[in-house]
Amino acid sequence: IQMTQSPSILSASVGDRVTITCRASQNISMWVAWYQQKPGRAPKLLIYRASTLEDGVPSRFSGSGSGAEFTLTISGLQPDDFSTYYCQQYNSYSFGQGTKVEIK
Amino acid sequence: EVQLVESGGGLIQPGGSLRLSCAASGFSVSSIYMSWVRQAPGKGLEWVSIIYTGGSTDYAGSVKGRFTISRDNSKNTVYLQMNTLRVDDTAVYYCARGLGALDSWGQGTLVTVSS
Repeated sequence: IQMTQSPSILSASVGDRVTITCRASQNISMWVAWYQQKPGRAPKLLIYRASTLEDGVPSRFSGSGSGAEFTLTISGLQPDDFSTYYCQQYNSYSFGQGTKVEIK
Repeated sequence: EVQLVESGGGLIQPGGSLRLSCAASGFSVSSIYMSWVRQAPGKGLEWVSIIYTGGSTDYAGSVKGRFTISRDNSKNTVYLQMNTLRVDDTAVYYCARGLGALDSWGQGTLVTVSS
């Protein structure tokens, strides 16, 4: 199963609402997770089962979708949110290509 | 507290072998799926392998037949035996736990395959 993530780079400002999309090559129900990764650090789980927020993750992060199309939304971008984000389907575990959220 | 600590990375020549270890604490590696994920320099994440609670395993196509995942329940450690290494296996290798989504990750160990 392939995961196509877009955009690859997203330029935004503090306070913006941003959306990242992942499309699966086939129906994967809700078996999608989203991760945040900062340079030189391990990824951190943000959302699982497409829309469930991991404990301790700020509520400005949200996920939606089912079947083959999924989105991660950050409502009110904070300075700490400028990172790279990955989706992952855990039907057969492949990751999307990543989206780098950079400062505009 | 859940903790994962990888070790065993280093510089190895093409065609060589290396065994990575992932020592777990705060939980039992036999009670949850354990995965290896790698990241080549400047690139994205690539899932490599998984060992399920029942002991069955699965691999990415790029490593199938060359890599073997295993665990030692008495040492609470997961291993990744990597044989016939290629230059494109160069990456930071992370171990992670999760029944689907990966909720805890180690700090990673760097494997460099070069002559």
